Amino acid sequence: NAGVTQTPKFQVLKTGQSMTLQCAQDMNHNSMYWYRQDPGMGLRLIYYSASEGTTDKGEVPNGYNVSRLNKREFSLRLESAAPSQTSVYFCASIWDSGEQYFGPGTRLTVT
Amino acid sequence: KNQVEQSPQSLIILEGKNCTLQCNYTVSPFSNLRWYKQDTGRGPVSLTIMTFSENTKSNGRYTATLDADTKQSSLHITASQLSDSASYICVVSANTGFQKLVFGTGTRLLVSP
Repeated sequence: NAGVTQTPKFQVLKTGQSMTLQCAQDMNHNSMYWYRQDPGMGLRLIYYSASEGTTDKGEVPNGYNVSRLNKREFSLRLESAAPSQTSVYFCASIWDSGEQYFGPGTRLTVT
Repeated sequence: KNQVEQSPQSLIILEGKNCTLQCNYTVSPFSNLRWYKQDTGRGPVSLTIMTFSENTKSNGRYTATLDADTKQSSLHITASQLSDSASYICVVSANTGFQKLVFGTGTRLLVSP
């Protein structure tokens, strides 16, 4: 039982490049989330998926797209990276009881 | 506006000492309050979850309290260990039919030998 896994762990992009952050969970959770964490700020919700086949915008969705490929996987795509997207990205899933589990994070730098 | 404020921003204590971290929130309608521990370079890990009716909840040396009337919570760490050095994040969930979580900015704790 690996919990929530994310790939890659680190990534450096040039402005304008695109990439997809991958997230998978093996706990059979319905809901999955993408957050970003910036210095001096709390985690901010980018997108979430309440269940397989549905996705919704969170607090800071601009510049991002998501895909809930199946119950296990929830990917985050940056179509044209900008320096403002330099951040640490966390994927999370949540159990019905409300217990939320986070992945180890992806540290992204956009130059 | 839904907000979660934590204090202090950072704290240094000696190993073996106790400490208390504070959290004030203005999230409404309230569903539950969580405390997470985040080690450097890792994702947050849940310590406690408290609903409206719970005043206190313990997890080993961690004890969280909740006063829903004053909208305040605290996390008390007893007999601190070096491994307690981390950021502690207070998170409040709004009952909107979906788990909308509002995160505090965290208290960075350093336990010194």
